[in-house]
Amino acid sequence: NAGVTQTPKFRVLKTGQSMTLLCAQDMNHEYMYWYRQDPGMGLRLIHYSVGEGTTAKGEVPDGYNVSRLKKQNFLLGLESAAPSQTSVYFCASSPSYNEQFFGPGTRLTVL
Amino acid sequence: LAKTTQPISMDSYEGQEVNITCSHNNIATNDYITWYQQFPSQGPRFIIQGYKTKVTNEVASLFIPADRKSSTLSLPRVSLSDTAVYYCLVGDGTALIFGKGTTLSVSS
Repeated sequence: NAGVTQTPKFRVLKTGQSMTLLCAQDMNHEYMYWYRQDPGMGLRLIHYSVGEGTTAKGEVPDGYNVSRLKKQNFLLGLESAAPSQTSVYFCASSPSYNEQFFGPGTRLTVL
Repeated sequence: LAKTTQPISMDSYEGQEVNITCSHNNIATNDYITWYQQFPSQGPRFIIQGYKTKVTNEVASLFIPADRKSSTLSLPRVSLSDTAVYYCLVGDGTALIFGKGTTLSVSS
């Protein structure tokens, strides 16, 4: 099993460009999450999903959209990237309330 | 969502036991207490989870008093490889708040 994978691993965008980050999990987990982590900070929850077709806002949802069309995939979109969105993005999945399994992260730089 | 408070940093030496305490005064009835470990440039990794009393696994122990307003993660005989950031989370699993965590530095 690959666990949680994230695509791409690195990306550089110009201000105003758009992009989609892909998270995939092969553990049949119901819950999936997107976090961002800035230098010296903990993780902050952007959006999450408790099942296929559902999404909910986390702590810092502004400027991001998500979709969960398939149970195994959770997409994070930036419609118009801003320098403040430069960060490391982590995706996670979990079967329910218990442990979350994290992906390796995506380093995004917005110039 | 319950807010947690934990020390910003802690120092220890190899072979010592380390106890990291987390306070969560407004924990809800349905909330679990979960601890994660994060190394630089990696995603967090689950350590242990509990609801009340004591939980132990091959890596750590988690002590939770009866009022559940705090919890203590105990790492027995730490090594250099335990140098990491440790996060205490409280919630029912749907939307957890990580906070800044505790940076543990282990020296030889």
